[in-house]
Amino acid sequence: GQQLNQSPQSMFIQEGEDVSMNCTSSSIFNTWLWYKQDPGEGPVLLIALYKAGELTSNGRLTAQFGITRKDSFLNISASIPSDVGIYFCAGQLNSNYQLIWGAGTKLIIKP
Amino acid sequence: NAGVTQTPKFQVLKTGQSMTLQCAQDMNHNSMYWYRQDPGMGLRLIYYSASEGTTDKGEVPNGYNVSRLNKREFSLRLESAAPSQTSVYFCASGLLATTGELFFGEGSRLTVL
Repeated sequence: GQQLNQSPQSMFIQEGEDVSMNCTSSSIFNTWLWYKQDPGEGPVLLIALYKAGELTSNGRLTAQFGITRKDSFLNISASIPSDVGIYFCAGQLNSNYQLIWGAGTKLIIKP
Repeated sequence: NAGVTQTPKFQVLKTGQSMTLQCAQDMNHNSMYWYRQDPGMGLRLIYYSASEGTTDKGEVPNGYNVSRLNKREFSLRLESAAPSQTSVYFCASGLLATTGELFFGEGSRLTVL
């Protein structure tokens, strides 16, 4: 089936650092979305992108829809403890309503 | 606001037993989804309902059935549980199936022995 390659798999960061993660695919998507999942909970939508080249911010989070429509990145600036969790990218193909999900990036803040 | 409510939150089954996971949303959303999440993997779509009265298979539908009971409720049934179905199951809903903007429940952790 379709796959998204999400990297890195995990990140150990210091509080206050900036974070960057990305997703790539061999397929063209018409929508890219970024979700965050806290332990024991369902994913929560952070940012949705609908147009190639689109750059969207949500507080300290910034995400971009790649110009080729095959990739997207998420940046978190000045990380804080509550940023820990698993971040998922998801893409929606033109052909149907199904989302294709990345395997997640686990963000851990060093004590 | 309740959002998306799933029951039960935990369940242990023996191989061959059947069970139904219930999901209800109070946001008047049109589309509803059932996903499973396994360690180290992203979410995989089992079935979805783009609108009341329709259901479609997702990526991993084998061993499952669904019912869109009404606009609010979407249930997932395991007729004969297998150990490979041990997973965390998430129900989600969205205003429109075309946007990908989903609201998730808290998950149901199922163990099949």
